[in-house]
Amino acid sequence: GAVVSQHPSWVICKSGTSVKIECRSLDFQATTMFWYRQFPKQSLMLMATSNEGSKATYEQGVEKDKFLINHASLTLSTLTVTSAHPEDSSFYICSTPRPSGSTDTQYFGPGTRLTVL
Amino acid sequence: AQSVTQLGSHVSVSEGALVLLRCNYSSSVPPYLFWYVQYPNQGLQLLLKYTSAATLVKGINGFEAEFKKSETSFHLTKPSAHMSDAAEYFCAVSDRRGGTASKLTFGTGTRLQVTL
Repeated sequence: GAVVSQHPSWVICKSGTSVKIECRSLDFQATTMFWYRQFPKQSLMLMATSNEGSKATYEQGVEKDKFLINHASLTLSTLTVTSAHPEDSSFYICSTPRPSGSTDTQYFGPGTRLTVL
Repeated sequence: AQSVTQLGSHVSVSEGALVLLRCNYSSSVPPYLFWYVQYPNQGLQLLLKYTSAATLVKGINGFEAEFKKSETSFHLTKPSAHMSDAAEYFCAVSDRRGGTASKLTFGTGTRLQVTL
């Protein structure tokens, strides 16, 4: 069964509004979560790494003030797209390594499709 | 720096035929390599991984991949395709930082279609 969930699975919003995406680990504690973005017919691109209780680390070129990441608990990380624009329309995916398994095996959420009108 | 190239965005095979999905990598350090599969409306699922042990790696659902350093390749194969194998397949390389913070770099994906 799924070990990582995301909510919502899809969302449509108006330009200028903010959207929050939740990523939950279902039966284990996730100290680290990765956030990816996937544009149509392109790779998954890592946006940021969130660690529980500390500030997220953003990849080069990702605006930290636009993509707010909060990892306030060991089972929940959130990504908020602030002042969304049509170019932010994409598929957002989170993942986390499961502590009891190999540190190089990540478990992925099902993704959230964001469409900004 | 590391990167992954997947040759062929779409591959179509007949049911029962050999599946071959190609992946070439570039890495400044000995890599960890992965194949993930994504079914519609689902998260990525690990098929198999190479972490510097045996070069021929067997995964779930009858898939396997061979690490060839001389060719910088990690192609995914399955002897006989099944309709249920239709999905998107991603090759990925890890930066091997260790701990829980290893980052993955993905290829663009290959959509496998299986026909009757």
